[in-house]
Amino acid sequence: GAGVSQSPSNKVTEKGKDVELRCDPISGHTALYWYRQRLGQGLEFLIYFQGNSAPDKSGLPSDRFSAERTGESVSTLTIQRTQQEDSAVYLCASSLLVDAMETQYFGPGTRLLVL
Amino acid sequence: DAKTTQPNSMESNEEEPVHLPCNHSTISGTDYIHWYRQLPSQGPEYVIHGLTSNVNNRMASLAIAEDRKSSTLILHRATLRDAAVYYCILMGFGNEKLTFGTGTRLTIIP
Repeated sequence: GAGVSQSPSNKVTEKGKDVELRCDPISGHTALYWYRQRLGQGLEFLIYFQGNSAPDKSGLPSDRFSAERTGESVSTLTIQRTQQEDSAVYLCASSLLVDAMETQYFGPGTRLLVL
Repeated sequence: DAKTTQPNSMESNEEEPVHLPCNHSTISGTDYIHWYRQLPSQGPEYVIHGLTSNVNNRMASLAIAEDRKSSTLILHRATLRDAAVYYCILMGFGNEKLTFGTGTRLTIIP
């Protein structure tokens, strides 16, 4: 069956530009998570959605970062006025429910390079 | 958030069992112990999870200490494809996000 997909797979942008990253979760999954992984480092939690609501935005690094989800499906992570420190792999995951025993299924990620 | 401690790296010979330890001395009663792994240039993938009892699935086994302050991921017969970074993560009520530490980088020697 279809897994989590993300687009674009790679994105190169200039400092100061805005970027939008898209995540298509597994159909029927109510929970959706965004993580960031800088080169050679572990994953950092950014935000999660339960349905279309985002109860926990604590991981967003700055107000340049925002995310939304519509139709309990697709989610978009937007980074405004990108900085070089935003260069990373942005990973999306989904799970059936927001629950501590649920498995999260990850997409392949979007590799963002800010020049 | 409860934290976990893992060795930075381990090596194992191909086709031998591998025991990956994880300490989580501050685990709470409702925290689940999850293991994920990340192969090179890929997103993380789920391996196994448990609460109190030992667990087995097609990928691995999870042995949980009686006091739940530590656990061990067991790969019964390592293959080259098992070379990855393995993460031990606690998830509990109100903390349903995955908090990744540095993990254990497992190298498989042919």
